[in-house]
Amino acid sequence: ETGVTQSPTHLIKTRGQQVTLRCSSQSGHNTVSWYQQALGQGPQFIFQYYREEENGRGNFPPRFSGLQFPNYSSELNVNALELDDSALYLCASRSYNEQFFGPGTRLTVL
Amino acid sequence: GIQVEQSPPDLILQEGANSTLRCNFSDSVNNLQWFHQNPWGQLINLFYIPSGTKQNGRLSATTVATERYSLLYISSSQTTDSGVYFCAVEADNAGNMLTFGGGTRLMVKP
Repeated sequence: ETGVTQSPTHLIKTRGQQVTLRCSSQSGHNTVSWYQQALGQGPQFIFQYYREEENGRGNFPPRFSGLQFPNYSSELNVNALELDDSALYLCASRSYNEQFFGPGTRLTVL
Repeated sequence: GIQVEQSPPDLILQEGANSTLRCNFSDSVNNLQWFHQNPWGQLINLFYIPSGTKQNGRLSATTVATERYSLLYISSSQTTDSGVYFCAVEADNAGNMLTFGGGTRLMVKP
């Protein structure tokens, strides 16, 4: 158990739609990161939030956006979905120097 | 950005065999973690090991930061060890962003 939960577990959307994925981390873990993992590859960093502010971003377009809330929950929003957005989306919470991952949301875009 | 390479990409073992997985990285790091990804996608923390040696049961890891590599040892492998093993690093100048290697896909046969 990592103490990080994500919802939903699976999601199917069509191209052009918008999606919101959710993550809840342990109390006191005020840094949350999101990663995208395409099939057969390692996870890729999307962005990170610290105390409700984005403070790091990977090579992802602006249609990937996020929010972090005071209760340590977080959202990843993706607009104008494309077929290549089909992937496992992972949320990670940081405790001291170690990152702990949630079980992921598997998004399929048709 | 920092490059992370893992070898071998695929490994098939007979139950009871030992193995060594390698992770090379191209720049100085202030964090290195090893994960095991199970078939459902969950990333399980194995080691937080920016330097030195650690052991946990049948698993051990060594990181030689000055030579920019880390090794994960699996002894007396079991079928439950099957899955993908990832090495992930935080470069010194990259905030808390983890950069993952491509993974080693391990299959342990009974």
